[in-house]
Amino acid sequence: DAGVIQSPRHEVTEMGQEVTLRCKPISGHNSLFWYRQTMMRGLELLIYFNNNVPIDDSGMPEDRFSAKMPNASFSTLKIQPSEPRDSAVYFCASSLNSAGETQYFGPGTRLLVL
Amino acid sequence: GQNIDQPTEMTATEGAIVQINCTYQTSGFNGLFWYQQHAGEAPTFLSYNVLDGLEEKGRFSSFLSRSKGYSYLLLKELQMKDSASYLCAALTGGGNKLTFGTGTQLKVEL
Repeated sequence: DAGVIQSPRHEVTEMGQEVTLRCKPISGHNSLFWYRQTMMRGLELLIYFNNNVPIDDSGMPEDRFSAKMPNASFSTLKIQPSEPRDSAVYFCASSLNSAGETQYFGPGTRLLVL
Repeated sequence: GQNIDQPTEMTATEGAIVQINCTYQTSGFNGLFWYQQHAGEAPTFLSYNVLDGLEEKGRFSSFLSRSKGYSYLLLKELQMKDSASYLCAALTGGGNKLTFGTGTQLKVEL
């Protein structure tokens, strides 16, 4: 079975450019999570969706970040405009929608903003 | 707020046993996860504790004390491939939101 799929795997962009990260969750999973990981702050939850609806976006750093989930098999995280401090690894994870269900992580997108 | 503490680094010898501790202070606690993350890779699930006590799974065991806000991950018969970061994560609220600690980098030496 395919796991969580993320694209691109690597992204290098210049400050001020728009960045769009994509995620396809595991089929049948109805919860989707976006995380950011840096050396300084570790793994931080940005936003999560249940049944395509955003439930908690309190981790989204600021208005430059936005996330959508138009259907059960696709989500995007957009940064506009990007800044060097956004450089990090962005992970998408999915799970079944019940407390205690294991979250399965995608391979991540390594973003470098110059 | 949510607070999860674990040591930054640990070193152990191949074949030995190591215990990685995690303490947490969270609201609406519903369980404790441990994940393993090798350098440059995604976190992968190791264990989940919701009740007090020890859960054993092969070489890995995890313990939880809800009254003390404390958990540990026990790794036995250490192998070189166990060198990785180990992340403690608390399940909080009524749903499936995880709050992660910053991870413990374990180095296994010969």
